[in-house]
Amino acid sequence: GAGVSQSPRYKVAKRGQDVALRCDPISGHVSLFWYQQALGQGPEFLTYFQNEAQLDKSGLPSDRFFAERPEGSVSTLKIQRTQQEDSAVYLCASSLGVGIQPQHFGDGTRLSIL
Amino acid sequence: QKEVEQDPGPLSVPEGAIVSLNCTYSNSAFQYFMWYRQYSRKGPELLMYTYSSGNKEDGRFTAQVDKSSKYISLFIRDSQPSDSATYLCAMGINTGTASKLTFGTGTRLQVTL
Repeated sequence: GAGVSQSPRYKVAKRGQDVALRCDPISGHVSLFWYQQALGQGPEFLTYFQNEAQLDKSGLPSDRFFAERPEGSVSTLKIQRTQQEDSAVYLCASSLGVGIQPQHFGDGTRLSIL
Repeated sequence: QKEVEQDPGPLSVPEGAIVSLNCTYSNSAFQYFMWYRQYSRKGPELLMYTYSSGNKEDGRFTAQVDKSSKYISLFIRDSQPSDSATYLCAMGINTGTASKLTFGTGTRLQVTL
């Protein structure tokens, strides 16, 4: 596709429910990143994939957060037993290769936990 | 203290003004620097990126990096109402694989008619 695509754009869930957020990166992009953006803040790194390998998950806030990219293209971020503090915009970014590369962002999924 | 500090604004300027946006950072390992523009309810859009100290110009935008002072700037000339957005600085470390970006808080800019 022309850009990074994320779905759904908006997600409302009750506390305790599981949610799954999808990211479709730019075609051919090797690297994929997930970030979390709280209201009025800059994005904060969650995890990084190079093809299907998850090389860095140092930013995942708890073991309730899980990400996968099984075929090296589409990625899913799953949050189990959601809490109110999980409410944020979840952004996905991709870059063409490895090393220093500009990252291109999708428009994010706005998650609200009631 | 955060690794990257950015004044959140809001910054309000009249159309046609020169805008100066700034970030300071504490981690001397940062090697590359980016500026993103984010409109409301949209993802960050890459404006500029640079790997070295000095200036880089692209149209109305100039990015400036001073590694000795750990200070980066983005200048916008002839500002337009369409420039009204949040501007995020971001920086990264070259680890040999794709590296996470560390962002500032973002500065909200309003360009008025």
